[in-house]
Amino acid sequence: DTEVTQTPKHLVMGMTNKKSLKCEQHMGHRAMYWYKQKAKKPPELMFVYSYEKLSINESVPSRFSPECPNSSLLNLHLHALQPEDSALYLCASSQANLVATGELFFGEGSRLTVL
Amino acid sequence: SQQGEEDPQALSIQEGENATMNCSYKTSINNLQWYRQNSGRGLVHLILIRSNEREKHSGRLRVTLDTSKKSSSLLITASRAADTASYFCATSRNTGGFKTIFGAGTRLFVKA
Repeated sequence: DTEVTQTPKHLVMGMTNKKSLKCEQHMGHRAMYWYKQKAKKPPELMFVYSYEKLSINESVPSRFSPECPNSSLLNLHLHALQPEDSALYLCASSQANLVATGELFFGEGSRLTVL
Repeated sequence: SQQGEEDPQALSIQEGENATMNCSYKTSINNLQWYRQNSGRGLVHLILIRSNEREKHSGRLRVTLDTSKKSSSLLITASRAADTASYFCATSRNTGGFKTIFGAGTRLFVKA
């Protein structure tokens, strides 16, 4: 069982909806990540938070808005999405200090379908 | 942005055979990692090799790293049907949080 919990597991939304994906970890990790994965493709990095601050944004469209309210939680707010945004959204966490190795712990993902 | 390429893209072998997957990358790295993903599930970390290491073993897994060629290989020995999955290499740079980028992946199918 993964120690990173993502909810919901499945989400169907229309292009005008506003929804959120949630991620929680209790491993004391101070880095958290959002990845997007299309079918038969590798995960693509979207955002990295380090010590609750956004440290990497891989030029993600503004219709995706991340939020890290505390060291255990990571949200991804979704608004005005397009059908091509349908994908598996993966959350991960890792240690964040300078001597950390960066091993990522993934959740099971939230499968998003945009109609 | 995708860091590296993997080959083969797909590999089908019989149970008991060895499986070798290769990965190439483009930029400087702190370490290289291999992950496994069962269909539609999250990724699971398998093994990590640091940039100053050349070879590492973990159970039936053997990883090599050649930083001069910017390449790595993953060997799974005595494969089992349960090893059927997608395998991804990933390179990391510590930029305040790790910028971890995944290669294209190899889909392994082990026939019982």
